[in-house]
Amino acid sequence: NAGVTQTPKFQVLKTGQSMTLQCAQDMNHNSMYWYRQDPGMGLRLIYYSASEGTTDKGEVPNGYNVSRLNKREFSLRLESAAPSQTSVYFCASTRDYPYEQYFGPGTRLTVT
Amino acid sequence: QQPVQSPQAVILREGEDAVINCSSSKALYSVHWYRQKHGEAPVFLMILLKGGEQKGHDKISASFNEKKQQSSLYLTASQLSYSGTYFCGTEISSPGAAGNKLTFGGGTRVLVKP
Repeated sequence: NAGVTQTPKFQVLKTGQSMTLQCAQDMNHNSMYWYRQDPGMGLRLIYYSASEGTTDKGEVPNGYNVSRLNKREFSLRLESAAPSQTSVYFCASTRDYPYEQYFGPGTRLTVT
Repeated sequence: QQPVQSPQAVILREGEDAVINCSSSKALYSVHWYRQKHGEAPVFLMILLKGGEQKGHDKISASFNEKKQQSSLYLTASQLSYSGTYFCGTEISSPGAAGNKLTFGGGTRVLVKP
């Protein structure tokens, strides 16, 4: 039981490049989330998916797109990376209310 | 709107106690507490639900004042392993609403020294 996995662990992009961050969970959870965490700051919700086939915007969705590929997988895409998107990205999942969120190990992204 | 945590940082000696507070300007249905060690992912500690139910860690306690939209996390007889950054996450949507979205506070850094 691996929990929540994320790939890649580290990535360096140049301004304007695109990439997709992958997230998968093997706990049969319905809801999945993408957060970003800037240095010394809290977590901010980018997008979430309450169930397979649905996605909704969080606090900071601009510059990102998501896909809930199936119940296990939830990907985050940066179409044209900007230095302001330099951050650590965490994926999380949860069963249903009122259960805790399980976080993946994070992807450390630097945009130069 | 982001909940406000206080204090921003606290330094303790092993065995000392501390309280971390989380306040929201909106009515809350639940408050979650997580701890994050440097370079790692946040780890769940506690959920407090409207109505008084709690789920979580045996050695860490918390309270939830629904009328004041405030929660407090109590670190009692602190251990070195308690060091890290503590975040509260607040839920303002109706119970069971799609997504169970959390809004996280800015965090409280805790350092426990020998």
